[in-house]
Amino acid sequence: QVQLVESGGGLVKPGGSLRLSCAASGFTFSDYYMSWIRQAPGKGLEWVSYISSSGSTIYYADSVKGRFTISRDNAKNSLYLQMNSLRAEDTAVYYCARAAVDIVATSFDYWGQGTLVTVSS
Amino acid sequence: SSELTQDPAVSVALGQTVRITCQGDSLRSYYASWYQQKPGQAPVLVIYGKNNRPSGIPDRFSGSSSGNTASLTITGAQAEDEADYYCNSRDSSGNLVVFGGGTKLTVL
Repeated sequence: QVQLVESGGGLVKPGGSLRLSCAASGFTFSDYYMSWIRQAPGKGLEWVSYISSSGSTIYYADSVKGRFTISRDNAKNSLYLQMNSLRAEDTAVYYCARAAVDIVATSFDYWGQGTLVTVSS
Repeated sequence: SSELTQDPAVSVALGQTVRITCQGDSLRSYYASWYQQKPGQAPVLVIYGKNNRPSGIPDRFSGSSSGNTASLTITGAQAEDEADYYCNSRDSSGNLVVFGGGTKLTVL
C-alpha cells in the first residue's frame, strides 16, 4: 500500500534552516509528481511546492519562493524540502503528498501524516 | 495566482443532503478536487476530476461544476461525515495550486 512518511520537523529559531524528508513506498515513486502542503495550527491547507516526476519542473507558492527548495531522489524514493530564512509564519504541519496531474486538474491522492515545524525564538 | 472561496461553516441534519461550494475564476478552466479532514488527521481525497471517487469513498459523495463554482454534494449525510472539507484547483496561470479556505461541516 502507498505510504508517505515525513521526518525532519522540529523547533527552529527565526532565520534558521530545516530540511524535511519524505520516504515513499508502495508505488513507483519516479512515475509521480510530488508536493509539499502545509497547515498552520488551526488554519486551512496551503500548497507550498511541487516537483515533476523527473525533477525538471518545479513550482513554489509566492509565500516561500526564494526561501524553500524542493528536490527528490528517485533512487532513494525520497522527497525533500530545504527551508531557509524561516519565519514565524512558516510554523505549520508539513505534509508530503502524491500528486495526480493532468491537463485540467491537480489532485493529491495520498498524504503522509505530517511533520510539525515550529519557528520561534 | 487566484483564490478559491468556501463558506466557513455548513450544517446538515443526519440523513439529509448538503452541498458545499467552492468559487474561483480558475474553476472555469480547471476541475476542483475535494478533501475531507478530521481532527488530528491528514486530509483524504474524496472527489477528483469531473466527478470521480477514489477507491473506498462512499458513493454518497459526488462532485459537480458550473461556471466558476464547484460543488461537493453529500447525499444522506452520516455522523462520520462531520469534518472540514477543502477544495483545490490550479490557479489561473495553470502552473500553481490553490486551496480554498475550508468548510467545517456539522452533522446535526
